[in-house]
Amino acid sequence: KAGVTQTPRYLIKTRGQQVTLSCSPISGHRSVSWYQQTPGQGLQFLFEYFSETQRNKGNFPGRFSGRQFSNSRSEMNVSTLELGDSALYLCASSLAEMAEAFFGQGTRLTVV
Amino acid sequence: KQEVTQIPAALSVPEGENLVLNCSFTDSAIYNLQWFRQDPGKGLTSLLLIQSSQREQTSGRLNASLDKSSGRSTLYIAASQPGDSATYLCAVISGSARQLTFGSGTQLTVLP
Repeated sequence: KAGVTQTPRYLIKTRGQQVTLSCSPISGHRSVSWYQQTPGQGLQFLFEYFSETQRNKGNFPGRFSGRQFSNSRSEMNVSTLELGDSALYLCASSLAEMAEAFFGQGTRLTVV
Repeated sequence: KQEVTQIPAALSVPEGENLVLNCSFTDSAIYNLQWFRQDPGKGLTSLLLIQSSQREQTSGRLNASLDKSSGRSTLYIAASQPGDSATYLCAVISGSARQLTFGSGTQLTVLP
């Protein structure tokens, strides 16, 4: 079966712009989580959605937001991009909350 | 707040050697623990999931153990191969948090 699909794979944006990243979970999975990975901070939790509801949010500024649609696909939005937002953004899907997580290949965002 | 530590940060071994990667966590009230593998620039691949009620899980040449009371998990890799070279990440879901908390990883190099 298809895995977690993230689009786009690579993105270059300018400071001040906004960006939207997309994640399609494994079919039947209802929980989607987002993580930011940087060399300095490692993997940090952004937010988790289950059945279109945000169930948990990490310690990130309000510029980071997300949503989940009725088909469980999720989008993450970052507004007013800063250089420090350059990172690998990873999406994970699970059959249920706190079940085994399966990750996508990530979106590499570079802010210049 | 849950903290996850992985030791060593990097490990280099000759092909064929058996090896152990270590993971420790500060809050023993975990729901499950998951080991991942990450190749450079790629997403995370789930290797093993251990539920809090389990003591170990095995998959092929991999065996992961969990000791909740001491806050430790180990990943044992038998007969290592160059293809095992990657970063190995340990993550826990605590009872109160609907998120994975990651360690900083162990970068493994298996020399041919």
